[in-house]
Amino acid sequence: DIQMTQSPSTLSASVGDRVTITCRASQSITSWLAWYQQKPGKAPNLLIYKASTLESGVPSRFSGSGSGTEFTLTISSLQPDDFATYYCQQYNSYPLTFGGGTKVEIK
Amino acid sequence: EVQLVESGGGLVQPGGSLRLSCAASGFTFSEHYMDWVRQAPGKGLEWVGRTRKKVNSYTTEYAASVKGRFTVSRDDSKNSLYLQMNSLKTEDTAVYYCARVSVVVPAAMDVWGKGTTVTVSS
Repeated sequence: DIQMTQSPSTLSASVGDRVTITCRASQSITSWLAWYQQKPGKAPNLLIYKASTLESGVPSRFSGSGSGTEFTLTISSLQPDDFATYYCQQYNSYPLTFGGGTKVEIK
Repeated sequence: EVQLVESGGGLVQPGGSLRLSCAASGFTFSEHYMDWVRQAPGKGLEWVGRTRKKVNSYTTEYAASVKGRFTVSRDDSKNSLYLQMNSLKTEDTAVYYCARVSVVVPAAMDVWGKGTTVTVSS
């Protein structure tokens, strides 16, 4: 199975900060990586797919990069609505696997 | 409006069975693979299983933790996805989400339901 490791697990930031979350795969997944945002009590929401493609309707302050085993999610200027937990997920091979999540908290 | 609505969750004793349903609307259900994903209380997301579409013979994939106990199925005539859960364990307690897989695979899960809660306890 491909293990997905996210870092950090928790991140404290202020509105307007640039935030970067890292996701590492235990083996190459080429670009078959997605990022999701989840708020408490809500379902996850797709932000980015194929490592760097922004899902329709997602603000442009979100961006993704990387390939192979190392990937990043960047929020260019953190907004109040962005405080949430973020998950990466590989869909290169079965079983599909998620990272452990990164909780973005208010500093 | 594209929508997925899960139902069928509840309290069940260890060793028991439960069948979850997911009603789809607002899109051509038969054209998409469909997934189940769960989230234990206070934990992260765990993929449970997938059904492919008719052209792929409705084949399925499962996480090791549920293989042999859970069955994913679909009824395209009813725009519905199902998860039959047998031999339930306390560690199956979670919110269960159904999710649509974007049409061109390999693909991410682009639409999610709100989830239904399953509690396995004596």
